[in-house]
Amino acid sequence: DAKTTQPPSMDCAEGRAANLPCNHSTISGNEYVYWYRQIHSQGPQYIIHGLKNNETNEMASLIITEDRKSSTLILPHATLRDTAVYYCIEGNTPLVFGKGTRLSVIA
Amino acid sequence: KAGVTQTPRYLIKTRGQQVTLSCSPISGHRSVSWYQQTPGQGLQFLFEYFSETQRNKGNFPGRFSGRQFSNSRSEMNVSTLELGDSALYLCASSLGGVEETQYFGPGTRLLVL
Repeated sequence: DAKTTQPPSMDCAEGRAANLPCNHSTISGNEYVYWYRQIHSQGPQYIIHGLKNNETNEMASLIITEDRKSSTLILPHATLRDTAVYYCIEGNTPLVFGKGTRLSVIA
Repeated sequence: KAGVTQTPRYLIKTRGQQVTLSCSPISGHRSVSWYQQTPGQGLQFLFEYFSETQRNKGNFPGRFSGRQFSNSRSEMNVSTLELGDSALYLCASSLGGVEETQYFGPGTRLLVL
């Protein structure tokens, strides 16, 4: 079973920042937090991952709390193409997907 | 660099038949993992192959099997198909080390009638 907790759905206005929270209170010291997203019926797309420092790439930023029990994925300027299910996952051997957060970006 | 490719993309079978799905990983990747996605159970891990050996296995019946070839390409086989095997089958490849990022293919959609 998935060990992370995410809100089932969120809305975001186009052009605004989308902040997607995730609780991962059981994460072990050497496990990374991974974020993937899945646009309808496509394969999951890797977004970003981190251990304890904040991370940023061309797609998003990842903010991890100091105690590592939660994190927030930030899409700085959401577009309609960011509408997808977003998954937060502890570790990757193997990836254990929960139900994720369905993000709807609204024009 | 080309991404993960899966063939075929769509497949229709009838109950009792068997099916083989293929996955070609990203060049240089030695690990291939397979996942099943259904509306009821979501995305579930089937198994992982690394250097032609099964390294990890999920909780699926023995009807689900796989193999990996020396060029890292992988196949999965489902025998004696059941209606409940209708799903999107996804493979993901990685370099194979711990915490190496997995990259997914587009999936094969299997419909069992």
